[in-house]
Amino acid sequence: SAVISQKPSRDICQRGTSLTIQCQVDSQVTMMFWYRQQPGQSLTLIATANQGSEATYESGFVIDKFPISRPNLTFSTLTVSNMSPEDSSIYLCSVVWSEAFFGQGTRLTVV
Amino acid sequence: GQQVMQIPQYQHVQEGEDFTTYCNSSTTLSNIQWYKQRPGGHPVFLIQLVKSGEVKKQKRLTFQFGEAKKNSSLHITATQTTDVGTYFCAGPGAGGTSYGKLTFGQGTILTVHP
Repeated sequence: SAVISQKPSRDICQRGTSLTIQCQVDSQVTMMFWYRQQPGQSLTLIATANQGSEATYESGFVIDKFPISRPNLTFSTLTVSNMSPEDSSIYLCSVVWSEAFFGQGTRLTVV
Repeated sequence: GQQVMQIPQYQHVQEGEDFTTYCNSSTTLSNIQWYKQRPGGHPVFLIQLVKSGEVKKQKRLTFQFGEAKKNSSLHITATQTTDVGTYFCAGPGAGGTSYGKLTFGQGTILTVHP
């Protein structure tokens, strides 16, 4: 199993600003995954974060908007840049060992 | 790309009634997983199905994987208020080389009235 600490748990941000979300895993993992869950919706994969290389982004998501860092095998950050109200969502990090484990999520409201 | 369709989107039941949610994939799945997300919480793994026609049970929950490995269902017998939440199925993500990518169904939001 994995224990993932994600922070902040929630935030209210002004449009045009940026927010960095952090995820710390209690053991080393090769890949970490970042998902977005819009209100009342399913989870959509934003990108896969690999240690030592650039993140791989899914269709519809770009590095300029969602830059990701992966400085070591237990930590990753996702930044939501130049925010607009449409970015209001829950952002979740995840690791997989046969099953997926998720952080507690960051509930972001952009005003 | 691969899609996993899940129905119904919402289900309201009286406590004690049964509940079923269904998932269908456009392609054959190597496996399918089920997750539960409580209100305000994060998804929590319930089970993984791998074999064609597989049936697994967890107390009042019964999971099935279709013979063609393109559909799956979760059935809850005699629902309780603790069953409230959103149930997601998830298949392996498209592109396949990144182990661990998941494609989630739209989820079924279950409300149980006491």
